[in-house]
Amino acid sequence: AQSVAQPEDQVNVAEGNPLTVKCTYSVSGNPYLFWYVQYPNRGLQFLLKYITGDNLVKGSYGFEAEFNKSQTSFHLKKPSALVSDSALYFCAVRDIAGTASKLTFGTGTRLQVTL
Amino acid sequence: GAGVSQSPRYKVTKRGQDVALRCDPISGHVSLYWYRQALGQGPEFLTYFNYEAQQDKSGLPNDRFSAERPEGSISTLTIQRTEQRDSAMYRCASSSGTGHPSSSGNTIYFGEGSWLTVV
Repeated sequence: AQSVAQPEDQVNVAEGNPLTVKCTYSVSGNPYLFWYVQYPNRGLQFLLKYITGDNLVKGSYGFEAEFNKSQTSFHLKKPSALVSDSALYFCAVRDIAGTASKLTFGTGTRLQVTL
Repeated sequence: GAGVSQSPRYKVTKRGQDVALRCDPISGHVSLYWYRQALGQGPEFLTYFNYEAQQDKSGLPNDRFSAERPEGSISTLTIQRTEQRDSAMYRCASSSGTGHPSSSGNTIYFGEGSWLTVV
C-alpha cells in the first residue's frame, strides 16, 4: 500500500521568508511524487512532480521540491514567500510498480503567509 | 475543453434521493478519475476509467455508488439513496496516460469539483 504523510496541519511564514512544507511517503517500489495547491473555492492545481532524474524539481509560481530517497521525503520549498501563496497544499504519491491509476494524497498543509 | 469541467458545482439534496454528478475531461485525455474529499482531508480515490472501461472501482465505498463513461469521454458518478455521510466535495480528474505503469508519471488534472450536501 502507498501512503503520504504531511505532519504539519498549518505552516505560518512571513512574506519574504523562505518556506518549507513537509511531505514523507511510503511505497513498495519507486515513487512518482506530486504537489498540488488548492486555493479557496478553486480546484486542485498541479504545481510540480518528481519522476526521475535530478532530485530538485522546479515547478509553477517559483516553487520547488527536493526528493530524498533515503529519508523518503519530498518537501516543498520556496525561497521567498508571497501573501498570495496562502493556500492548502497537498502532496501525493503513485507507486510505479503498483496500480498505476491510484494517486494517494496526504491530508494537506495550510500555508499562511503574512505581511 | 481547456480544463476538466464538472457540474453541478453545488448540489443540495434530501436524504434518500439519487444524485448524478457529471464530468467532462480535458479533450483527448483517455484516463478519468473520481475522487472524494471531505472537509479537512485529502482527496480519496473512488474509481478510474481508461477510455470507457472502468479499470478500478476499489475506492467506491458501497454499492450505492456507481460510475460510467459510456463513450470514453464524459463520465457520470451516481449516488443512490443518498445519506448525510455522502456530503463531500466530489472531484473529477483526467490525464493523457492510459493508467499503465509506464504512464504513471503523467500529470493528473483536476476539475473544480462538485460540492454535495445531503440534508
